[in-house]
Amino acid sequence: QLQESGPGLVKPSETLSLTCSVSGGSISSSDYFWGWIRQPPGKGLEWIGDIYRDGSTYYGPSVKSPVTISVDTSKNQFSLRLSSVTPADTAVYYCARRLLGAPTRFDYWGRGTLVTVSS
Amino acid sequence: IQMTQSPSSLSASVGDRVTITCRASQSINNFLNWYQQKPGEAPKLLIYATSRLQSGVPSRFSGSGSGTDFSLTISSLQPEDFATYFCQQSYITPWVFGQGTKVEVE
Repeated sequence: QLQESGPGLVKPSETLSLTCSVSGGSISSSDYFWGWIRQPPGKGLEWIGDIYRDGSTYYGPSVKSPVTISVDTSKNQFSLRLSSVTPADTAVYYCARRLLGAPTRFDYWGRGTLVTVSS
Repeated sequence: IQMTQSPSSLSASVGDRVTITCRASQSINNFLNWYQQKPGEAPKLLIYATSRLQSGVPSRFSGSGSGTDFSLTISSLQPEDFATYFCQQSYITPWVFGQGTKVEVE
């Protein structure tokens, strides 16, 4: 299981920080990447980025705010940081597990957490 | 790579055969996944690699296609299938999703 946690309200220009806790399996598994995907209200899904157990990261171009994804294998967690957020970053943020190798797919998702960027 | 789904929404009745299409802006071989999302819930993987059913997904769901054109078919729509469906290319990063197709009650 994956569970997102973090503030539901962030002010513009501040930093959005979310954590995904993984249970029932190890984030250190060699078989998976761990990713963040978001969904603005009423819109489609946007891939933010993935991280592997060794800290290797892949980021998508859809997020304009500076993005950092990190992993903490000791806590079985990975995290997302978006700096200098704007109202356009308001979305439901999902963490998900992606299988390494082809054919890759996001096979397990967290329930998602709504983050609103507003003063 | 851009992913375009059609239609954006459709109305159907229980028992109907429903087909949703997804087109990629360039060839993605067979690296195409489908997800189902119900209101307030996380997306759920239905089909990967165009036609492979994820474990636990009913056999009324099927996928087909190759290259740039793909489809998801529900052979006999059930009440629990009213949802939004997204395609996603898994050929190359950035992973891109279609804009979604909402299946509504007619």
